[in-house]
Amino acid sequence: ETGVTQTPRHLVMGMTNKKSLKCEQHLGHNAMYWYKQSAKKPLELMFVYSLEERVENNSVPSRFSPECPNSSHLFLHLHTLQPEDSALYLCASSQIGTGELFFGEGSRLTVL
Amino acid sequence: KQEVTQIPAALSVPEGENLVLNCSFTDSAIYNLQWFRQDPGKGLTSLLLIQSSQREQTSGRLNASLDKSSGRSTLYIAASQPGDSATYLCAPRGSGAGSYQLTFGKGTKLSVIP
Repeated sequence: ETGVTQTPRHLVMGMTNKKSLKCEQHLGHNAMYWYKQSAKKPLELMFVYSLEERVENNSVPSRFSPECPNSSHLFLHLHTLQPEDSALYLCASSQIGTGELFFGEGSRLTVL
Repeated sequence: KQEVTQIPAALSVPEGENLVLNCSFTDSAIYNLQWFRQDPGKGLTSLLLIQSSQREQTSGRLNASLDKSSGRSTLYIAASQPGDSATYLCAPRGSGAGSYQLTFGKGTKLSVIP
């Protein structure tokens, strides 16, 4: 595996379900990010982890809960979502200092 | 708050043509600026990264320029090919306390007609 890998690629869930999105980076980076991409809107930064500590949380509802157990893995735990949360969720990583961002293929989430 | 505008929103050109995509941003205090392409339903692929101290970067048929003081960047694509069809996004990264924040534009959707 190379680059940034996200699973699952597609997820359909009901409003009462609990699910998780997983991201793994194989680039030796020390910062990881979650972005949300909704139709016809720019990418929105949700969370940033630097050296496994959360450094940014852009007013994201508590129904989204991130977890970064180590520098290579990032999770986004989902519970009691709303239909408007349906979007493409993108994970990215970078090396602190150089700043070039590398993205995964995304997880397409549909909330019924 | 940084705002990014990309013009045009969509562009259709015949194969072989040279073209320029424009990106403007409101806050010139940036650390760097990155250009990406995104194919439908896919993630973003990094094309070029320009540091704030640089004026331009080149990779193959792509050339990106940066004028930080005027808040502008351009992406030049030479001899366009159908495989270049995608949405192109620019994203300046803030400096200092905002250095974790990349602000994205809505992108330019490029179609290269064979």
